[in-house]
Amino acid sequence: DAKTTQPPSMDCAEGRAANLPCNHSTISGNEYVYWYRQIHSQGPQYIIHGLKNNETNEMASLIITEDRKSSTLILPHATLRDTAVYYCIVRVAVGFQKLVFGTGTRLLVSP
Amino acid sequence: DAGVIQSPRHEVTEMGQEVTLRCKPISGHNSLFWYRQTMMRGLELLIYFNNNVPIDDSGMPEDRFSAKMPNASFSTLKIQPSEPRDSAVYFCASSLAGAGSGELFFGEGSRLTVL
Repeated sequence: DAKTTQPPSMDCAEGRAANLPCNHSTISGNEYVYWYRQIHSQGPQYIIHGLKNNETNEMASLIITEDRKSSTLILPHATLRDTAVYYCIVRVAVGFQKLVFGTGTRLLVSP
Repeated sequence: DAGVIQSPRHEVTEMGQEVTLRCKPISGHNSLFWYRQTMMRGLELLIYFNNNVPIDDSGMPEDRFSAKMPNASFSTLKIQPSEPRDSAVYFCASSLAGAGSGELFFGEGSRLTVL
C-alpha cells in the first residue's frame, strides 16, 4: 500500500470548515483514498473514500487532486464532537485487503 | 443491527498469565481484523482472516500471540504468557470484502493491562 503523509495536528473553530490534507504521491492507479477517524477511546470509524472523483456524504467531502497525489477531507461545519484523530489511508478496494493506519492528524475543534 | 462485539472490555492480569480476547464480527461479514493500539506504536494490524482463514499474520509480535477463527461468527486472540509490554487496547474489526466500499467496522476494543 502507498504511504501517506499528514500533518500531526490541526485546530479548527467550531462552526467553521475543517480542511485536512493528505499527501499520497506514490498512489497506484487502482488504489483508493480512505478516511477514518478515531474519537478518544473508541474504535476507528469510516468516513468516506474515493478513487479520483470528488465525493460527498453526510459526514464529509473528499477532494482528490487531478494527479491523485494528494487529497483533502472537508468537514463543512465542524463541531466539538469532530475532535478526533483523522487517518488518511490508500489501499486497493476490491478483494481481500488489509487496512494499514499511519499516525493521522489530531484535529482539535474549539468553541 | 449489532456491531462488532468484543469481550472483555477491560482486563487486568499479572505477568505470565494467559489472556484470551474475543470478537464476534457483524453477521455476514467475511473478513476479520485484529489491531493493537498503544501510545508509542499507534494502531498496528496484527492479523486478518478472510472466510475464516488467516491471510496475513506478519503483524503478530511473537509466538506468545495466537489468533483463531473457528467459524464465521467468532474469533479469539490469545496471549500466553502475557507480559507488561502487551498492555494496550486491542480492536477487532470486520468487513464484507469484495463488495461495496470494503469499509471496516470496529468494535469498542478490549483494554488490556498486564501488571
